[in-house]
Amino acid sequence: QSVLTQPPSASGSPGQRVTISCSGSRSTIGSNTVNWYQHLPGTAPRLLIYTNDQRPSGVPNRFSGSRSGTSASLAISGLQSEDEAYYFCQSWDDSVNGPVFGGGTKVTVL
Amino acid sequence: QVRLVQSGAEVKKPGASVKVSCLVSGYSLTELTMQWVRQAPGKGLEWMGNFDPEDGEPLYAPEFQGRVTMTEDTSTGTAYMELSSLRSDDTAVYYCATAIIVTGTAFDHWSQGALVTVSS
Repeated sequence: QSVLTQPPSASGSPGQRVTISCSGSRSTIGSNTVNWYQHLPGTAPRLLIYTNDQRPSGVPNRFSGSRSGTSASLAISGLQSEDEAYYFCQSWDDSVNGPVFGGGTKVTVL
Repeated sequence: QVRLVQSGAEVKKPGASVKVSCLVSGYSLTELTMQWVRQAPGKGLEWMGNFDPEDGEPLYAPEFQGRVTMTEDTSTGTAYMELSSLRSDDTAVYYCATAIIVTGTAFDHWSQGALVTVSS
Protein backbone atom coordinates (compact mmCIF):
# COMPACT_ATOMS: atom_id res chain seq x y z
CA GLN A 1 0.00 0.00 0.00
CA SER A 2 1.53 3.27 -1.13
CA VAL A 3 1.93 6.24 1.21
CA LEU A 4 0.27 8.59 -1.28
CA THR A 5 -3.12 7.63 -2.68
CA GLN A 6 -3.98 7.84 -6.36
CA PRO A 7 -6.90 6.43 -8.35
CA PRO A 8 -5.79 3.31 -10.22
CA SER A 9 -7.13 4.49 -13.55
CA ALA A 10 -8.38 7.48 -15.51
CA SER A 11 -9.44 7.89 -19.10
CA GLY A 12 -10.51 10.41 -21.67
CA SER A 13 -11.01 10.92 -25.37
CA PRO A 14 -8.47 12.75 -27.50
CA GLY A 15 -8.64 16.48 -26.86
CA GLN A 16 -10.32 16.11 -23.48
CA ARG A 17 -8.95 17.07 -20.08
CA VAL A 18 -8.04 14.43 -17.50
CA THR A 19 -7.26 15.12 -13.86
CA ILE A 20 -5.42 12.76 -11.49
CA SER A 21 -5.54 13.25 -7.74
CA CYS A 22 -2.87 12.45 -5.15
CA SER A 23 -3.75 12.39 -1.46
CA GLY A 24 -1.26 12.44 1.38
CA SER A 25 -0.95 13.58 4.97
CA ARG A 26 0.32 16.47 7.03
CA SER A 27 3.85 15.00 7.15
CA THR A 28 4.01 14.42 3.41
CA ILE A 29 2.11 16.67 0.99
CA GLY A 30 0.97 18.91 3.82
CA SER A 31 4.58 19.89 4.53
CA ASN A 32 6.40 19.31 1.25
CA THR A 33 6.18 19.91 -2.46
CA VAL A 34 4.75 17.42 -4.95
CA ASN A 35 6.27 16.07 -8.14
CA TRP A 36 4.70 14.10 -10.98
CA TYR A 37 6.16 11.52 -13.34
CA GLN A 38 5.07 9.77 -16.52
CA HIS A 39 6.09 6.14 -16.80
CA LEU A 40 5.92 3.59 -19.55
CA PRO A 41 6.81 0.04 -18.42
CA GLY A 42 10.35 -0.88 -19.33
CA THR A 43 11.52 2.69 -19.58
CA ALA A 44 12.90 5.31 -17.23
CA PRO A 45 10.26 7.44 -15.49
CA ARG A 46 10.05 10.98 -16.88
CA LEU A 47 9.68 14.02 -14.63
CA LEU A 48 6.63 16.05 -15.71
CA ILE A 49 6.01 18.46 -12.84
CA TYR A 50 8.23 19.47 -9.93
CA THR A 51 7.68 21.71 -6.93
CA ASN A 52 3.90 21.43 -7.32
CA ASP A 53 3.48 23.27 -10.59
CA GLN A 54 6.80 23.71 -12.40
CA ARG A 55 7.52 22.05 -15.74
CA PRO A 56 11.03 20.95 -16.68
CA SER A 57 12.31 22.05 -20.03
CA GLY A 58 10.72 20.07 -22.84
CA VAL A 59 7.49 19.14 -21.06
CA PRO A 60 4.45 20.45 -22.96
CA ASN A 61 2.27 23.03 -21.21
CA ARG A 62 -0.65 20.60 -21.58
CA PHE A 63 0.60 19.18 -18.31
CA SER A 64 -0.08 21.20 -15.17
CA GLY A 65 0.08 20.55 -11.45
CA SER A 66 -1.34 22.03 -8.30
CA ARG A 67 -1.26 21.39 -4.54
CA SER A 68 -3.69 22.32 -1.81
CA GLY A 69 -3.48 21.21 1.79
CA THR A 70 -2.62 17.51 1.88
CA SER A 71 -3.63 16.82 -1.72
CA ALA A 72 -2.31 17.52 -5.18
CA SER A 73 -3.47 17.00 -8.73
CA LEU A 74 -2.09 16.61 -12.21
CA ALA A 75 -4.11 17.82 -15.19
CA ILE A 76 -3.57 16.79 -18.76
CA SER A 77 -5.42 19.00 -21.21
CA GLY A 78 -5.81 18.35 -24.90
CA LEU A 79 -5.29 14.62 -24.29
CA GLN A 80 -3.26 12.87 -26.97
CA SER A 81 -2.75 9.19 -27.74
CA GLU A 82 0.91 9.47 -26.71
CA ASP A 83 -0.24 10.43 -23.20
CA GLU A 84 -1.38 6.88 -22.56
CA ALA A 85 0.91 5.84 -19.72
CA TYR A 86 1.18 5.48 -15.96
CA TYR A 87 1.43 8.65 -13.88
CA PHE A 88 2.62 8.75 -10.31
CA CYS A 89 3.02 11.46 -7.73
CA GLN A 90 5.88 11.86 -5.29
CA SER A 91 6.46 13.98 -2.22
CA TRP A 92 8.68 13.84 0.84
CA ASP A 93 8.03 12.27 4.23
CA ASP A 94 9.53 14.21 7.09
CA SER A 95 9.23 11.21 9.42
CA VAL A 96 11.72 9.10 7.42
CA ASN A 97 13.54 11.94 5.63
CA GLY A 98 12.91 10.31 2.29
CA PRO A 99 10.62 10.40 -0.74
CA VAL A 100 7.23 8.75 -0.85
CA PHE A 101 5.24 7.80 -3.91
CA GLY A 102 1.71 7.25 -5.07
CA GLY A 103 0.59 3.89 -6.40
CA GLY A 104 0.29 5.23 -9.93
CA THR A 105 -2.64 5.97 -12.23
CA LYS A 106 -3.04 4.32 -15.62
CA VAL A 107 -4.31 6.86 -18.13
CA THR A 108 -6.10 5.41 -21.12
CA VAL A 109 -6.90 7.44 -24.21
CA LEU A 110 -10.22 6.19 -25.54
CA GLN B 1 23.87 14.19 -21.92
CA VAL B 2 23.55 12.63 -18.50
CA ARG B 3 22.67 8.95 -18.36
CA LEU B 4 22.12 6.44 -15.60
CA VAL B 5 22.71 2.94 -16.90
CA GLN B 6 21.97 -0.09 -14.80
CA SER B 7 23.20 -3.62 -14.83
CA GLY B 8 21.02 -6.29 -16.38
CA ALA B 9 18.29 -8.52 -15.07
CA GLU B 10 19.08 -11.02 -12.34
CA VAL B 11 17.48 -14.21 -11.07
CA LYS B 12 18.25 -15.17 -7.49
CA LYS B 13 17.17 -17.85 -5.04
CA PRO B 14 15.54 -16.99 -1.72
CA GLY B 15 18.15 -16.17 0.90
CA ALA B 16 20.73 -15.02 -1.62
CA SER B 17 22.01 -11.49 -2.22
CA VAL B 18 21.91 -9.31 -5.30
CA LYS B 19 24.11 -6.34 -6.19
CA VAL B 20 22.73 -3.88 -8.73
CA SER B 21 24.92 -1.24 -10.31
CA CYS B 22 24.15 2.20 -11.72
CA LEU B 23 26.74 3.77 -14.00
CA VAL B 24 26.60 7.56 -14.30
CA SER B 25 27.85 9.11 -17.52
CA GLY B 26 27.97 12.78 -18.42
CA TYR B 27 28.15 13.97 -14.81
CA SER B 28 30.25 13.46 -11.74
CA LEU B 29 28.89 10.92 -9.28
CA THR B 30 30.56 12.86 -6.47
CA GLU B 31 28.12 15.72 -7.00
CA LEU B 32 24.96 13.59 -6.87
CA THR B 33 22.81 12.15 -4.14
CA MET B 34 21.81 8.81 -5.62
CA GLN B 35 18.42 7.42 -4.68
CA TRP B 36 17.39 3.80 -4.98
CA VAL B 37 13.75 3.00 -5.68
CA ARG B 38 11.98 -0.23 -6.53
CA GLN B 39 8.63 -1.27 -7.99
CA ALA B 40 7.21 -4.71 -7.35
CA PRO B 41 4.77 -6.17 -9.89
CA GLY B 42 1.41 -4.43 -9.65
CA LYS B 43 2.57 -2.10 -6.89
CA GLY B 44 3.74 1.47 -6.52
CA LEU B 45 7.25 2.79 -6.22
CA GLU B 46 9.06 2.26 -2.93
CA TRP B 47 12.06 4.24 -1.75
CA MET B 48 14.93 2.12 -0.43
CA GLY B 49 17.47 4.76 0.52
CA ASN B 50 20.13 7.07 -0.80
CA PHE B 51 23.84 7.74 -0.72
CA ASP B 52 24.99 11.29 -0.09
CA PRO B 53 28.57 11.83 -1.27
CA GLU B 54 28.94 14.96 0.87
CA ASP B 55 29.14 12.97 4.07
CA GLY B 56 29.81 9.57 2.51
CA GLU B 57 27.00 8.07 4.50
CA PRO B 58 23.99 6.17 3.22
CA LEU B 59 20.47 6.74 4.53
CA TYR B 60 18.29 3.64 4.44
CA ALA B 61 14.52 3.44 4.59
CA PRO B 62 13.44 1.71 7.81
CA GLU B 63 11.91 -1.19 5.87
CA PHE B 64 15.31 -2.14 4.43
CA GLN B 65 17.59 -1.32 7.35
CA GLY B 66 19.87 -4.29 8.01
CA ARG B 67 19.36 -5.85 4.57
CA VAL B 68 20.53 -3.15 2.17
CA THR B 69 23.96 -1.68 1.55
CA MET B 70 24.55 1.28 -0.75
CA THR B 71 28.05 2.14 -1.89
CA GLU B 72 29.80 4.10 -4.61
CA ASP B 73 32.96 3.76 -6.66
CA THR B 74 33.76 7.32 -7.65
CA SER B 75 36.71 6.20 -9.78
CA THR B 76 34.31 4.52 -12.21
CA GLY B 77 31.26 6.69 -11.56
CA THR B 78 29.23 3.68 -10.43
CA ALA B 79 26.74 3.43 -7.58
CA TYR B 80 25.79 0.07 -6.09
CA MET B 81 22.86 -1.28 -4.14
CA GLU B 82 23.17 -4.69 -2.51
CA LEU B 83 20.13 -6.38 -1.00
CA SER B 84 20.61 -9.51 1.10
CA SER B 85 18.39 -12.28 2.50
CA LEU B 86 16.23 -12.07 -0.58
CA ARG B 87 12.59 -13.11 -0.40
CA SER B 88 10.03 -13.68 -3.13
CA ASP B 89 8.47 -10.29 -2.40
CA ASP B 90 11.79 -8.63 -3.30
CA THR B 91 10.99 -9.46 -6.92
CA ALA B 92 10.85 -6.01 -8.48
CA VAL B 93 12.33 -3.56 -10.92
CA TYR B 94 15.07 -1.58 -9.19
CA TYR B 95 15.87 1.98 -10.25
CA CYS B 96 18.52 4.51 -9.42
CA ALA B 97 17.47 8.14 -9.65
CA THR B 98 18.88 11.57 -8.90
CA ALA B 99 18.33 15.30 -9.30
CA ILE B 100 20.71 17.24 -11.50
CA ILE B 101 18.86 20.24 -12.92
CA VAL B 102 15.72 20.68 -10.85
CA THR B 103 15.66 21.81 -7.26
CA GLY B 104 13.52 20.58 -4.43
CA THR B 105 12.53 16.96 -3.90
CA ALA B 106 12.13 15.79 -7.50
CA PHE B 107 14.34 13.41 -9.45
CA ASP B 108 14.93 14.41 -13.05
CA HIS B 109 17.19 11.54 -14.06
CA TRP B 110 16.29 7.87 -13.75
CA SER B 111 17.81 4.64 -14.93
CA GLN B 112 15.96 2.22 -17.17
CA GLY B 113 15.48 -0.20 -14.30
CA ALA B 114 16.87 -3.64 -13.52
CA LEU B 115 14.51 -6.58 -12.97
CA VAL B 116 15.45 -8.79 -10.05
CA THR B 117 13.50 -12.02 -9.81
CA VAL B 118 13.63 -14.06 -6.61
CA SER B 119 12.49 -17.60 -7.18
CA SER B 120 13.40 -21.07 -6.02
